[in-house]
Amino acid sequence: SQQGEEDPQALSIQEGENATMNCSYKTSINNLQWYRQNSGRGLVHLILIRSNEREKHSGRLRVTLDTSKKSSSLLITASRAADTASYFCATARSGNTGKLIFGQGTTLQVKP
Amino acid sequence: DVKVTQSSRYLVKRTGEKVFLECVQDMDHENMFWYRQDPGLGLRLIYFSYDVKMKEKGDIPEGYSVSREKKERFSLILESASTNQTSMYLCVSTPGSGNTEAFFGQGTRLTVV
Repeated sequence: SQQGEEDPQALSIQEGENATMNCSYKTSINNLQWYRQNSGRGLVHLILIRSNEREKHSGRLRVTLDTSKKSSSLLITASRAADTASYFCATARSGNTGKLIFGQGTTLQVKP
Repeated sequence: DVKVTQSSRYLVKRTGEKVFLECVQDMDHENMFWYRQDPGLGLRLIYFSYDVKMKEKGDIPEGYSVSREKKERFSLILESASTNQTSMYLCVSTPGSGNTEAFFGQGTRLTVV
């Protein structure tokens, strides 16, 4: 079964607009992480939010976490063409062993 | 600089062959993972190891096995390669509780013909 599920699967916006993508999960977690993957490249870590945190910022990125709803959102403000990529959430299971499960990803296209 | 190293960048194997994918990390991490990445399916967990000789099945373990005899090394074995195992394989490591970013190998593009 899928732990992290992203929504939407694909998103197309104009440069300058904001992009929001969501991630839902099923089990208790230690943290939730977001990664970006440009076409043909490896995954790049964007941000990690711990289970006791509700919101975190990094530059143009804002991540929220709602553990009661088992969901997270990633907001990219003032998007640029260079933000075109696939975005994945990953959840680290709570407990002593951090089993890490990735979602299927959201493909974001930012049109210039 | 932290390192996760996969033994091969590209591999071509024949159907029915036994295939070994090796991964080594130099960060003394407890957790090591094998995922496969296919277009539109994200990263799917094959197997996870949280300590030497300890393993746990992921979402798609069928046709695969793993070995972790030393803390730094995690091997993925395809017992009898099939064409539907053609994929990008990613090795990942994290420390015990997993409360840091994950560290990725460069990936192995496996083609089974």
